Amino acid sequence: DQQVKQNSPSLSVQEGRISILNCDYTNSMFDYFLWYKKYPAEGPTFLISISSIKDKNEDGRFTVFLNKSAKHLSLHIVPSQPGDSAVYFCAAKFNSNSGYALNFGKGTSLLVTP
Amino acid sequence: DTGVSQDPRHKITKRGQNVTFRCDPISEHNRLYWYRQTLGQGPEFLTYFQNEAQLEKSRLLSDRFSAERPKGSFSTLEIQRTEQGDSAMYLCASSRYTATNEKLFFGSGTQLSVL
Repeated sequence: DQQVKQNSPSLSVQEGRISILNCDYTNSMFDYFLWYKKYPAEGPTFLISISSIKDKNEDGRFTVFLNKSAKHLSLHIVPSQPGDSAVYFCAAKFNSNSGYALNFGKGTSLLVTP
Repeated sequence: DTGVSQDPRHKITKRGQNVTFRCDPISEHNRLYWYRQTLGQGPEFLTYFQNEAQLEKSRLLSDRFSAERPKGSFSTLEIQRTEQGDSAMYLCASSRYTATNEKLFFGSGTQLSVL
């Protein structure tokens, strides 16, 4: 069963505009959330994260928002650039004996057009 | 280059054959993870090591899968008697674990095709 869901397989945004990528989760025990970015033929690269004790984390053009009551998080990219075109994975973890076993969503493919 | 290195990048094998993949983590990283990614899915956790100790292996997909990290440096993932359903990208990641949340660095993966 998919505990982390990214319901939009793809998203197209114009350069300079805001990109909003969404993620929902089902397990209320998750306490840490991450976004990874993946280019073709490369491994995922860490982008930004947020702890469950926060509702917002910002890093340059990237901001992640967490709504615990809705079990929803989103990644905002402002302004979007063509180099942001990639697959974005949402991931979540909880404190368990599995160490840092991340639960990933299926990914959203972002295309930023000039 | 100080990133996570995986070898080979691509592997084509016939059903029933054994395959072994190698992962060289970032030096001084004490944790090493194996994930599998199938088409249209996100990466799926398989197992991980802290130094040479394999701390979690219950998520390995079957007893045909095994992993080692004998000296706490590089790691190997072996799949015995491969099946077509094993076709996937196998990703390795490493981290320098501390008491606070760690950051995983992924390699580019080994793409396995089982014919």
